[in-house]
Amino acid sequence: QVQLVESGGGVVQPGRSLRLSCAASGFTFSSFPMHWVRQGPDKGLEWVAVISYDGSNKQYADSVKGRFTISRDNSKNTLSLQMNSLRADDTAVYYCAKDQGMGYYFDHWGQGILVTVSS
Amino acid sequence: EIVLTQSPATLSLSPGERATLSCRASQSVGRYLAWYQQKPGQAPRLLIYDASNRATGIPARFSGSGSGTDFTLTISSLEPEDFAVYYCQQRSNWPRITFGQGTRLEIK
Repeated sequence: QVQLVESGGGVVQPGRSLRLSCAASGFTFSSFPMHWVRQGPDKGLEWVAVISYDGSNKQYADSVKGRFTISRDNSKNTLSLQMNSLRADDTAVYYCAKDQGMGYYFDHWGQGILVTVSS
Repeated sequence: EIVLTQSPATLSLSPGERATLSCRASQSVGRYLAWYQQKPGQAPRLLIYDASNRATGIPARFSGSGSGTDFTLTISSLEPEDFAVYYCQQRSNWPRITFGQGTRLEIK
């Protein structure tokens, strides 16, 4: 079955960097776009970024553009999110999510990883 | 940005009753709308995509309808495990996809 397991979260000071990873299994990772979606404390869901199946195309939410970088390694079935210049409002649970294949629907999600930006 | 407004914010019903959740878009999204269910401490789960198509493994008591700006998620007869928060999501103007703020379905 599809499994997505995030890692790399934690507490970080404002302005610092953090890198999240997502290990995928149970499906042909190299065939699907992958996303990051976040959820702030007691807040709703916010899409963060997407990367195409081969890594050639990346899109970002305006709130993270220029600060976050999404990447993937299809040889290792791994998705990553490099987060720089972190701000307090980046505090959230970050989910990696598999694209359904139709574009921008999410049919499998990881368990989520908490990122807290605080001094 | 397309704003999705869900109503009601909270819906209190009993098991066996019918639930009707609404999602209204600030501009037309065609049929490019999905519904997700999220339970406490869990990731969201895709229920419905393209307004009315059930995702794999989703029970038939869940159904979606609508197009343009008005959408409905209906749960025909509530089971105890259905009490959760439900979100709608549009992909009409990707990559600027957006989610609604959620409807909390609670046990009366």
